[in-house]
This record gives sequence, structure tokens and C-alpha cells, in this order.
Amino acid sequence: GQNIDQPTEMTATEGAIVQINCTYQTSGFNGLFWYQQHAGEAPTFLSYNVLDGLEEKGRFSSFLSRSKGYSYLLLKELQMKDSASYLCAVRDREYGGATNKLIFGTGTLLAVQP
Amino acid sequence: GAVVSQHPSWVICKSGTSVKIECRSLDFQATTMFWYRQFPKQSLMLMATSNEGSKATYEQGVEKDKFLINHASLTLSTLTVTSAHPEDSSFYICSARGRLTTDTQYFGPGTRLTVL
Repeated sequence: GQNIDQPTEMTATEGAIVQINCTYQTSGFNGLFWYQQHAGEAPTFLSYNVLDGLEEKGRFSSFLSRSKGYSYLLLKELQMKDSASYLCAVRDREYGGATNKLIFGTGTLLAVQP
Repeated sequence: GAVVSQHPSWVICKSGTSVKIECRSLDFQATTMFWYRQFPKQSLMLMATSNEGSKATYEQGVEKDKFLINHASLTLSTLTVTSAHPEDSSFYICSARGRLTTDTQYFGPGTRLTVL
């Protein structure tokens, strides 16, 4: 089966660093994505990991360990506008087909406080 | 680049009517489009996957006769909710993936459907 776990909510302070964890179990792992979603809006792409290690992109970094089924999103120098849901999504290779589906976690609602 | 639009952004309809939602890739050719549904405070649930020129593949539990998907061109897919009922009220989001964007799905802005 497929299962993706992330904390439901987190709170952090403006200017601080926050790490959002994601653990997954999937039969055909083919990459992990992080998306940001503000309330009432569609998700926007943040990062993509398919090999182990850290990917850095400005204030955002994402880490993957395939052997542990684990990823985290690191947000530095938090700003108020970073208050949003952060969705971990695993791409699952569909055997016999050409489509790689994204399976989403429930999302982590991050509240950044002054 | 990689912009996806949806129309309408919101729609209110009476129970029993049908509603069509369009999803367009504006600056790339989308070989595959995905349709998701999101209920309040829940994550995205994949409804179906459509490849240009072929029938959509529906996820388990999604009625294909109720949610009609057409992917007639490389830039347009439509989702028609037939005989809508209040329980179909949700946020419907499409995403698109093209030949040159095989690693990433780009999402449209979503359509808020309210069925009275």
C-alpha cells in the first residue's frame, strides 16, 4: 500500500528556521515533491528530490533518504507569508503504464507568528 | 513558464445539473493531465489521469460516468460533473505535465464548486 505521514500543524516564529518532516511507504517510489498551498489556492511547486541528499533553493531546502523513507523541508528566515500548508507528495511508478501518479500527504499547516 | 489555467474559478449550481470545468496548459503541451479533488482541511485526492487522445484512467472509488473527462488536445482537458449533488461540492484542481516537464506537475488555480 501507500502511506505518507506529516505533522498536522506546526508553529514557528518570524525569522526562525523550521523543519517539516515527511515519512512515506510506497511500492514504486520515483521521486518526492514538496508543494506550498495557501488557503483556497492551488499548490505551487517548491522542490523535487529523487536521489538521496539535500537540495537547496534559496530559503528552502529539501532532504531525502530513500532507505529510511524519509524527507524533510527546511525553511529558513521565516516570513509571515510562509504561513501556509506544506504538502509532501510521492511519485509512484505505475507498473505497466506510462503514468507516474503523485500521492499526497495530508499536509502540514504552518503558522508563522511575529 | 509552465502556466496552467482553470475556468471557471468558482461555480454555484443547482442539484441535478451538470458542470464543466476546463483546464488549459498555456505555454507548454500537456501530454498528461491530472484531476484532483480537495475537501476542506484535507489533502488532494487524485480522481483521474488523462493522456491526450486516450481514455482517462480513474482512481478506485471514482465514478467514471459521473465525472466525465475529455483530453482532446495537448493543451486542454475538461472535467464534467454530471447530475451534481451537494456532496460533490469541493475544490477541483487540475495539473499538467508535458514532454519537457516530465518531472513536475504544474497545478491550475482550482475551481470551487458549490452545489445547492
